[in-house]
Amino acid sequence: SQTIHQWPATLVQPVGSPLSLECTVEGTSNPNLYWYRQAAGRGLQLLFYSVGIGQISSEVPQNLSASRPQDRQFILSSKKLLLSDSGFYLCAWSVGSTYEQYFGPGTRLTVT
Amino acid sequence: RKEVEQDPGPFNVPEGATVAFNCTYSNSASQSFFWYRQDCRKEPKLLMSVYSSGNEDGRFTAQLNRASQYISLLIRDSKLSDSATYLCVVGSGYSTLTFGKGTMLLVSP
Repeated sequence: SQTIHQWPATLVQPVGSPLSLECTVEGTSNPNLYWYRQAAGRGLQLLFYSVGIGQISSEVPQNLSASRPQDRQFILSSKKLLLSDSGFYLCAWSVGSTYEQYFGPGTRLTVT
Repeated sequence: RKEVEQDPGPFNVPEGATVAFNCTYSNSASQSFFWYRQDCRKEPKLLMSVYSSGNEDGRFTAQLNRASQYISLLIRDSKLSDSATYLCVVGSGYSTLTFGKGTMLLVSP
């Protein structure tokens, strides 16, 4: 069966510091991968999605970037965090052209 | 107009009650429709897909009205464990989903 991992689970970082969040999927090949952010009191916002290694589509321009160095690995990064980057970051996967997405446990980021 | 709109609630119901949530979406080209459930401080989990013919999974029934761009979720015989936020989700574009902000349900003893 497929599983999705995210780490770290929680993170407190000062403004201006870098960020690296990692997501890995097991039990499937060629997944579509997604990064979402859920800010307090707001809905899920799609940040990036990837349909293959090295292929990244950005939905929202901001100081975040994403990379997919391996088929089942998706990384979210920032060079300098802003206060507004605080939120719950969720990685998700889907297969083929299906719309059903399955989420990892998330990383709760607080920028201070 | 918001892309996916839901009543935020909370809906407070006693155990055993029937409760219904509604959702409207703005993109008439939307192709797939879902309800996800999100517990407090947890990730969303797929509850069920929604089809034009309507579909049922145990105590849960989902309906889609494409003409009115309206989706509903009915929960019968509510359990304490049904307390959560229910997210209405619409798929359009290449495998991308748009999420509503969710409707909070609180089931009390």
